[in-house]
Amino acid sequence: GESVGLHLPTLSVQEGDNSIINCAYSNSASDYFIWYKQESGKGPQFIIDIRSNMDKRQGQRVTVLLNKTVKHLSLQIAATQPGDSAVYFCAENYGTGRRALTFGSGTRLQVQP
Amino acid sequence: DAGVTQSPTHLIKTRGQQVTLRCSPKSGHDTVSWYQQALGQGPQFIFQYYEEEERQRGNFPDRFSGHQFPNYSSELNVNALLLGDSALYLCASSSKGGDRQETQYFGPGTRLLVL
Repeated sequence: GESVGLHLPTLSVQEGDNSIINCAYSNSASDYFIWYKQESGKGPQFIIDIRSNMDKRQGQRVTVLLNKTVKHLSLQIAATQPGDSAVYFCAENYGTGRRALTFGSGTRLQVQP
Repeated sequence: DAGVTQSPTHLIKTRGQQVTLRCSPKSGHDTVSWYQQALGQGPQFIFQYYEEEERQRGNFPDRFSGHQFPNYSSELNVNALLLGDSALYLCASSSKGGDRQETQYFGPGTRLLVL
């Protein structure tokens, strides 16, 4: 079946730099996307979401970009901090209402002091 | 406002045994989904409950079953445990209705080790 995947398994950045985490999806019917952050030993934490009728959405220090033409999603973290070190997952589903999420394998973000 | 809670936090079982994991959804949520997360991988959807019935199911065998109670809490049962069932089991809840039913919020998970 179709699934969400990620380009880079590990990303290492310097504290204070901006981070960009990428995600490719293959299901053209997907219309809702979520980024989660998962710290060691914890459950995934919701960061930001975006629907397919948008191409950009901003939160606090985070921006999600959606390019439907190439089926690509990215998460930008501004002024990366040590507390941002974690594994980041993108997840997708389609349709309205209650739906299962399909996750990729994740990208580990390491922030160097 | 309590988030999603799960119990126990850790569990050790032997092959062939049965296990029950529990989840209480976030306040105001009525839908509970269960996911299995193997080490180094993303969560895999097991099934989803609302209105006390299983509504969707992922590619998991019948050894995996569940239940939802009138207070929206849920249980995940796994029978005849295999070594490969060792994983982090995550519960996620979502809201009753409106625009954001898709947004799922996760609990801390139950780490199951099968020996």
